[in-house]
Amino acid sequence: NAGVTQTPKFQVLKTGQSMTLQCAQDMNHEYMSWYRQDPGMGLRLIHYSVGAGITDQGEVPNGYNVSRSTTEDFPLRLLSAAPSQTSVYFCASSSLLAGGLDEQFFGPGTRLTVL
Amino acid sequence: AQSVTQLGSHVSVSEGALVLLRCNYSSSVPPYLFWYVQYPNQGLQLLLKYTTGATLVKGINGFEAEFKKSETSFHLTKPSAHMSDAAEYFCAVSGTGTASKLTFGTGTRLQVTL
Repeated sequence: NAGVTQTPKFQVLKTGQSMTLQCAQDMNHEYMSWYRQDPGMGLRLIHYSVGAGITDQGEVPNGYNVSRSTTEDFPLRLLSAAPSQTSVYFCASSSLLAGGLDEQFFGPGTRLTVL
Repeated sequence: AQSVTQLGSHVSVSEGALVLLRCNYSSSVPPYLFWYVQYPNQGLQLLLKYTTGATLVKGINGFEAEFKKSETSFHLTKPSAHMSDAAEYFCAVSGTGTASKLTFGTGTRLQVTL
């Protein structure tokens, strides 16, 4: 099993450009999510999904779109990149339990710089 | 709404000393609680978790944590620190239901000195 894979590992964008961060998992997890990590702020939830065709906003959704057409894939789109979106992005997946989320499995991250 | 507070953004201990990283949570429902570790330039990996049952949970690398409902705490401990424990540690809480979200604390960077 590859677990959670993310591409690219590094990306530099100019302000106003758009791009898609790819995320895939091979564990048949219902739940997938995107976080951004900034110094001193921990991980903040951008968007999440509890299954194919179902997505919802997290804590910091502005400027990002997601879709979930399959169980395996959960791409994150930056519509018009801004310097404030410079960050490290992590995708994660987990099973859903009756009482909450099970252990999250994280991808290796994408380091994005917006100039 | 749920939240997590980690007291101390940086903690320094000597090798062989006790490690204590503090985590307090707020949740309107019985929580699931997690500790994750992040080594430099890597993703996060699970140290341990509490869902139901025994309130003292043991994790990898000799770490353990105790869920104390009355204190709304889930502090992480290790009896004897090792140089390889130097990393950033995150506490997280999950609510219930299919719309659950995982909320992270801001992290504690552990430094281990000789």
